[in-house]
Amino acid sequence: AQSVTQPDIHITVSEGASLELRCNYSYGATPYLFWYVQSPGQGLQLLLKYFSGDTLVQGIKGFEAEFKRSQSSFNLRKPSVHWSDAAEYFCAAISNFGNEKLTFGTGTRLTIIP
Amino acid sequence: SAVISQKPSRDICQRGTSLTIQCQVDSQVTMMFWYRQQPGQSLTLIATANQGSEATYESGFVIDKFPISRPNLTFSTLTVSNMSPEDSSIYLCSVGSRVEQYFGPGTRLTVT
Repeated sequence: AQSVTQPDIHITVSEGASLELRCNYSYGATPYLFWYVQSPGQGLQLLLKYFSGDTLVQGIKGFEAEFKRSQSSFNLRKPSVHWSDAAEYFCAAISNFGNEKLTFGTGTRLTIIP
Repeated sequence: SAVISQKPSRDICQRGTSLTIQCQVDSQVTMMFWYRQQPGQSLTLIATANQGSEATYESGFVIDKFPISRPNLTFSTLTVSNMSPEDSSIYLCSVGSRVEQYFGPGTRLTVT
């Protein structure tokens, strides 16, 4: 079955430190890939997406993600986190053919410490 | 991207009652989606609502429990019927296409 896995339930990072959130997918063919952020009490905001082409994708708020086919991964990175980055981050995927639905990972909660 | 609003933003309801959640978009969209996010969980698609047709429900969700209306291209409602504490969740609408969706702020529902 198609699935998205976020291995880390909770990550704590110091403000100014670098960040990497992991995402692995299990699909028959490379799906479309997304990262969303959900701030406390807010809906989901799309950070970035990967459909094809350049495997390093730039997003909003200084985030980037790298698609690695060999590892079935789409990890999210930020070189220097800010206190406002504290939120829940969801990786999502959808098959690029057929009528499949968007599948979300279980999320990674990011805590920023001063 | 479209600006999406939801009403109410939160509510506390008694078991056995029903709540209707509204989703309004500032531009015309063909596809609207309703999701549930149970406490500490990820998002689960409830149904897809296209204007002019019946909503398409995902496995595990039925129209009697979650009736959906889609009267025009900018508006949809989701009703949570005969609520139980297990229905306590955040309910989100989204718009866009199957492969690219934008989400509303969500409705936080607590059932007591």
